[in-house]
Amino acid sequence: QLQLQESGPGLVKPSETLSLTCTVSSGSISSTGYYWGWIRQPPGKGLEWMGSIYYSGTTYYNPSLKSRITISVDTSKNQFSLELRSVSAADTAVYVCGRSTGDGTAYFDYWGQGTLVTVSS
Amino acid sequence: QSVLTQPPSVSAAPGQKVTISCSGSSSDIGNCFVSWYQQLPGTAPKLLIYENNKRPSGIPDRFSGSKSGTSATLGITGLQTGDEAEYYCGTWDSSRTVYVFGTGTKVTVL
Repeated sequence: QLQLQESGPGLVKPSETLSLTCTVSSGSISSTGYYWGWIRQPPGKGLEWMGSIYYSGTTYYNPSLKSRITISVDTSKNQFSLELRSVSAADTAVYVCGRSTGDGTAYFDYWGQGTLVTVSS
Repeated sequence: QSVLTQPPSVSAAPGQKVTISCSGSSSDIGNCFVSWYQQLPGTAPKLLIYENNKRPSGIPDRFSGSKSGTSATLGITGLQTGDEAEYYCGTWDSSRTVYVFGTGTKVTVL
């Protein structure tokens, strides 16, 4: 059973960079046909897709975050990572990593448990 | 910034049926498959339905999905207290190359 686990700081100061890593176990991040994505959920609000990456490095980003986000992959470690720059209180959310299929058929079939990141000084 | 619209809440008594609508546009639901997710309180979302009407292994057939034009529907029959959760639809928006989630619907078992 594929497992995903988020890791990273739970507290980030305003204007700094939020960095999280998702470690994939019991499966390969290099599996063809699957994308690896980040989704976030502010407290009491809905889900927002942030972006996804293919093992080859191809990325798709939410236009609302495009100037601040970078998603990268490290196939040797079976991990992918999120960087969100210049954060503010509005970026306080539970961040979840997930695996999805491709484009038009896209759905997220495996999810991490999520990690709460609070932006505060 | 969801572009898929869902009713905020639906409710029914145990054993009854509820349906949740998900309304989109020609560039998202109208052009791509729809999936549905269940989010129990305090947990990560879980895939319930994919490719409009398919259920992953382990999902009971009480859950069903359908799509027509630019709208999709999730049905839950034989409602149980354990079904109380937030439900989200999701799909790919081919014109903006983004994955979009619905606004979410809270299901309450009366």
